[in-house]
Amino acid sequence: DTGVSQDPRHKITKRGQNVTFRCDPISEHNRLYWYRQTLGQGPEFLTYFQNEAQLEKSRLLSDRFSAERPKGSFSTLEIQRTEQGDSAMYLCASSSGTTNYYEQYFGPGTRLTVT
Amino acid sequence: AQRVTQPEKLLSVFKGAPVELKCNYSYSGSPELFWYVQYSRQRLQLLLRHISRESIKGFTADLNKGETSFHLKKPFAQEEDSAMYYCALSGQGAQKLVFGQGTRLTINP
Repeated sequence: DTGVSQDPRHKITKRGQNVTFRCDPISEHNRLYWYRQTLGQGPEFLTYFQNEAQLEKSRLLSDRFSAERPKGSFSTLEIQRTEQGDSAMYLCASSSGTTNYYEQYFGPGTRLTVT
Repeated sequence: AQRVTQPEKLLSVFKGAPVELKCNYSYSGSPELFWYVQYSRQRLQLLLRHISRESIKGFTADLNKGETSFHLKKPFAQEEDSAMYYCALSGQGAQKLVFGQGTRLTINP
């Protein structure tokens, strides 16, 4: 499968714990995006990278959230001191500057449940 | 502010009937508009983009700048069209996508 992959697919954690999610974009896609989707809502933008540079962060991304893309390939999203309100589906997407930045390819998502 | 509104959370039509999923947007410049679709147990995928003016799986969408709308239409619905549909916009520079709340379309046999 050459599409965007995310790991883990499901994560259950207790409030106050830290969690980290990984996203592997389509090979050679230089843009990588993170979104969050809660029940009954569309995806909401969190942050995006062009290569290893984080170019924009949403106000939704509180200080407890940090994202990295150290070598311009895979990315990680860490949530520290999780809260019940962090329960959501976390989606990753990638796009290519050589074909079409506007077409974003989505991963299957990581579903986070905070108990 | 960038905003996308899909007024219908649920839409149910019979097979063979016409379908129209509504989308209105708010954006101060010239946005790119998209329709994304998520079939059961599948990932979110691009259905169509306004600038390409293509018909994908029989669906079309016309950008109406005067009414700030980008409604999705299909003349004859098929059962395989049942899915969650999201309207989205992107500003110049192809950065983030702003999504609407989505419309769940059900095609009844």
